[in-house]
Amino acid sequence: NAGVTQTPKFQVLKTGQSMTLQCAQDMNHNSMYWYRQDPGMGLRLIYYSASEGTTDKGEVPNGYNVSRLNKREFSLRLESAAPSQTSVYFCASSELGASETQYFGPGTRLLVL
Amino acid sequence: AQTVTQSQPEMSVQEAETVTLSCTYDTSESDYYLFWYKQPPSRQMILVIRQEAYKQQNATENRFSVNFQKAAKSFSLKISDSQLGDAAMYFCAFCSGNTPLVFGKGTRLSVIA
Repeated sequence: NAGVTQTPKFQVLKTGQSMTLQCAQDMNHNSMYWYRQDPGMGLRLIYYSASEGTTDKGEVPNGYNVSRLNKREFSLRLESAAPSQTSVYFCASSELGASETQYFGPGTRLLVL
Repeated sequence: AQTVTQSQPEMSVQEAETVTLSCTYDTSESDYYLFWYKQPPSRQMILVIRQEAYKQQNATENRFSVNFQKAAKSFSLKISDSQLGDAAMYFCAFCSGNTPLVFGKGTRLSVIA
């Protein structure tokens, strides 16, 4: 039982490049989330998926897209990376919704030059 | 919009002593949920404690307990018998119904041997 897994662990991009961050959970959870963590800012929600087939914007969605591929997987795509997207990205899941305990992945550290 | 405020960017405590981390929140909702998450140097986010607003009894988990003051919109975390492994960033978080979690900016706790 791996919980929430994220790939890659670390990535360096040049401005304008694109990439997809992958997230998978094996807990049969309905809800999944993408956050970014910047120094002194805490965690801010980018997008979430309350259930398979649905996605919604969070607090900071600009510059990102998401896909809920199936119940297990929720990917985050940066179409044209910018230095402002340098951050640590966390994926999380919860059984039914945001009021339930969220289980977090180990994070992806992204550096955009 | 809901906001969560952690007024102590850094705190320190002697090993075996007790420390209290502060959190206040702003909401017009009457039914909501509050959380404390711990982020050690490994970056892994771990749930410490969860409180349902409609429950008057303060939640406890071993050495961790909360002081939930609904009228004052205050949700502080008390750590008793502090251990070196308690050193981490601690984040207070709020959600209402199925709206996503809103995090505070965190408090960095140091434990002095």
